Amino acid sequence: NAGVMQNPRHLVRRRGQEARLRCSPMKGHSHVYWYRQLPEEGLKFMVYLQKENIIDESGMPKERFSAEFPKEGPSILRIQQVVRGDSAAYFCASSLTTSGSSTDTQYFGPGTRLTVL
Amino acid sequence: AQSVTQPDIHITVSEGASLELRCNYSYGATPYLFWYVQSPGQGLQLLLKYFSGDTLVQGIKGFEAEFKRSQSSFNLRKPSVHWSDAAEYFCAVGGANKYIFGTGTRLKVLA
Repeated sequence: NAGVMQNPRHLVRRRGQEARLRCSPMKGHSHVYWYRQLPEEGLKFMVYLQKENIIDESGMPKERFSAEFPKEGPSILRIQQVVRGDSAAYFCASSLTTSGSSTDTQYFGPGTRLTVL
Repeated sequence: AQSVTQPDIHITVSEGASLELRCNYSYGATPYLFWYVQSPGQGLQLLLKYFSGDTLVQGIKGFEAEFKRSQSSFNLRKPSVHWSDAAEYFCAVGGANKYIFGTGTRLKVLA
């Protein structure tokens, strides 16, 4: 029973390059969430997606960041033209439902640690 | 505004001692509350959650938490800490689309 999978676990990019982070939710989960954790801080919500739909992107920076969750394949968080301030751990979570019950619980992946040189 | 406060940034306890980690929240509706643990370089593992019902919630690894609506608190407790409990602990409050996390409490356990 695989949990949430994220890859790569570590990613190094130079300023101006693109970063692509992948997330495969738990089996049967169709709700995906992305969070960012800056050093010495808690997790901050970025975006919530269902298959082929962005439901809530209120935490996404307005520029350079985008997310998708296609019908087939993993969810992708894409950061264009990375800057040093993008260095952080990016966590993906998935849930079975958002119906207001215990099945809304979000389960987290191991994270991708992005370092921008 | 919705928020979660973990007032203790660092806590040090001796192995075998009891532990209480504090969490206070501000949330407009009935909150869903969670505690997660994060070991260095790892992801978040769910310790326990509160959705409704009994306000004393049992979790994994011997942890429990008590929801006190009057105090807007959801403190995490363990009667006897083990060295392997050293980690960072995050309290979170959940809404329909997102969780709001506290800034975490880093637990150090002395042998």
